[in-house]
Amino acid sequence: DADVTQTPRNRITKTGKRIMLECSQTKGHDRMYWYRQDPGLGLRLIYYSFDVKDINKGEISDGYSVSRQAQAKFSLSLESAIPNQTALYFCATSDSGWGDYPRETQYFGPGTRLLVL
Amino acid sequence: QQPVQSPQAVILREGEDAVINCSSSKALYSVHWYRQKHGEAPVFLMILLKGGEQKGHEKISASFNEKKQQSSLYLTASQLSYSGTYFCGTEGSSNDYKLSFGAGTTVTVRA
Repeated sequence: DADVTQTPRNRITKTGKRIMLECSQTKGHDRMYWYRQDPGLGLRLIYYSFDVKDINKGEISDGYSVSRQAQAKFSLSLESAIPNQTALYFCATSDSGWGDYPRETQYFGPGTRLLVL
Repeated sequence: QQPVQSPQAVILREGEDAVINCSSSKALYSVHWYRQKHGEAPVFLMILLKGGEQKGHEKISASFNEKKQQSSLYLTASQLSYSGTYFCGTEGSSNDYKLSFGAGTTVTVRA
């Protein structure tokens, strides 16, 4: 089973609709992230959370909100979707880092492809 | 602020070498390199921490020059499996714990 899962994998919606993307992880990591990927722009951070009570805005949070329901679950919502939110969305997780290796990598989910008409 | 990657794209024949650069206008604490195959999630390659160390992953290695605020990824004797888009992600400080990613470099390796 995958360590980081995202649902749905593909979604088509209409302008003005509310939509939620969900992310679950079985890695036991504290830190979770939401990114969007657009051609030629790489990955841009939307929101991140270092624990259940900690939510932080990333570089492009306008138009998005998040909820950290549990250590393992982090959801991204588009309150009123617009066409320029059409993109590939990734959830990622990382550990706090222990011992001699102070930096942990980020593990990415398979992505959700969202089309807003 | 996103780091700048160069080149944007490179085409190689099997066995050829390539260098991908990642530059930042800010001081860096760490640089993370990922590779993404078409339609898949980015996959971690390596992390380089402040200190200029060089790391390797198979025939892919990287260096980090903290004074120049840049990192380079070296693809040596490229294989078909090296095709994909390579991203660098940077952290500005030891308290950051979040990455700013470059726009990516698309590598195509042909037989």
